[in-house]
Amino acid sequence: GQQVMQIPQYQHVQEGEDFTTYCNSSTTLSNIQWYKQRPGGHPVFLIQLVKSGEVKKQKRLTFQFGEAKKNSSLHITATQTTDVGTYFCAGNHRGSTLGRLYFGRGTQLTVWP
Amino acid sequence: DAGITQSPRYKITETGRQVTLMCHQTWSHSYMFWYRQDLGHGLRLIYYSAAADITDKGEVPDGYVVSRSKTENFPLTLESATRSQTSVYFCASRWGPSSEQYFGPGTRLTVT
Repeated sequence: GQQVMQIPQYQHVQEGEDFTTYCNSSTTLSNIQWYKQRPGGHPVFLIQLVKSGEVKKQKRLTFQFGEAKKNSSLHITATQTTDVGTYFCAGNHRGSTLGRLYFGRGTQLTVWP
Repeated sequence: DAGITQSPRYKITETGRQVTLMCHQTWSHSYMFWYRQDLGHGLRLIYYSAAADITDKGEVPDGYVVSRSKTENFPLTLESATRSQTSVYFCASRWGPSSEQYFGPGTRLTVT
């Protein structure tokens, strides 16, 4: 079936270190989205990537979409305590009906001050 | 502008009782979703809907029922609650099949 795998499940870093989470799909995606969930909160949309090889930046966050549109990554440069939370990737599969979004299990980021 | 709301925010119920979680959105989004979130499992899709009167099962639909008679509402019913349904439930909506998804604040349900 259609799946989106995300690694690592947990990541602990010291403030100032970099962080990367990776997402892989079993099938080609039409687009991929990234969400952030703060502890005790709900997931919040960060960004969407649509084009093959696309790279987008939001301040210290860099998002990439693979050439084959099957994988993606989120890289945070010089983490801060405000980056704490769980990061989810979510893919729209080509040809999927009813607008279903396939979420990875998320990467929980802990940042030590 | 309320956006997407869920009620109740917290609920404690007993095994075997029927429980309905409400979800309401003010954007007239076509697509609505119910997820449950448990430690170690991420977000698991229970049911989703592309429009009023169009619903489909997600990954974990057993024990749940949904309806969507109006675009703005998407209630989720646990027909006979079990302890395994203790979880945080998130409702979400999106305008189109590829647009960003907006999540409600969640309902924390405990089944004793």
